[in-house]
Amino acid sequence: DAGITQSPRHKVTETGTPVTLRCHQTENHRYMYWYRQDPGHGLRLIHYSYGVKDTDKGEVSDGYSVSRSKTEDFLLTLESATSSQTSVYFCAIKKTGADYEQYFGPGTRLTVT
Amino acid sequence: AQKVTQAQTEISVVEKEDVTLDCVYETRDTTYYLFWYKQPPSGELVFLIRRNSFDEQNEISGRYSWNFQKSTSSFNFTITASQVVDSAVYFCAPPSPYSGAGSYQLTFGKGTKLSVIP
Repeated sequence: DAGITQSPRHKVTETGTPVTLRCHQTENHRYMYWYRQDPGHGLRLIHYSYGVKDTDKGEVSDGYSVSRSKTEDFLLTLESATSSQTSVYFCAIKKTGADYEQYFGPGTRLTVT
Repeated sequence: AQKVTQAQTEISVVEKEDVTLDCVYETRDTTYYLFWYKQPPSGELVFLIRRNSFDEQNEISGRYSWNFQKSTSSFNFTITASQVVDSAVYFCAPPSPYSGAGSYQLTFGKGTKLSVIP
């Protein structure tokens, strides 16, 4: 257990509304990630962070922004949600010293209507 | 580009049977890592194993074993005496460079869905 929580766990929102998903870790690891998982596409990286205020884009970053003002929290924001952003969102951390393996949060199921 | 192929989309076995999930990868890197993850019906993603490319010893953890063959670029996963709780989607994650730099990002494909029938 890597002490990762995600909130909310489920959300239904309307097209055009802003949405923020939160990832919280209890172990102060440097690297944190946001992925989305969609049928037929596997798991794709949206954004990642390598420290407080240090973030970078992943494979599918368009339409998403992130912020990391504290080590333990990594926020994913959909500025104006679209139906194509309906997905399951996973947060992950890479433990300090661990070589590449990542540990995932429980996921957030987001539906944009 | 680094790539992994899990040719078995879905497998069904009867409880207590052994089952092997295949993973074939492509990479130009000389040193790399490979991973297996499990996603049960409840949806969470569970890390199972990391394999370093310079360590070709097979690994066993309880009923799980992994066969890493660098010569054939394969990293297969065997479950012995399968149980209903093994029903899940299993992902073999493509090689990640060993350099220690960069985003360390993982990439999952579609995985293999294993159904263990009682």
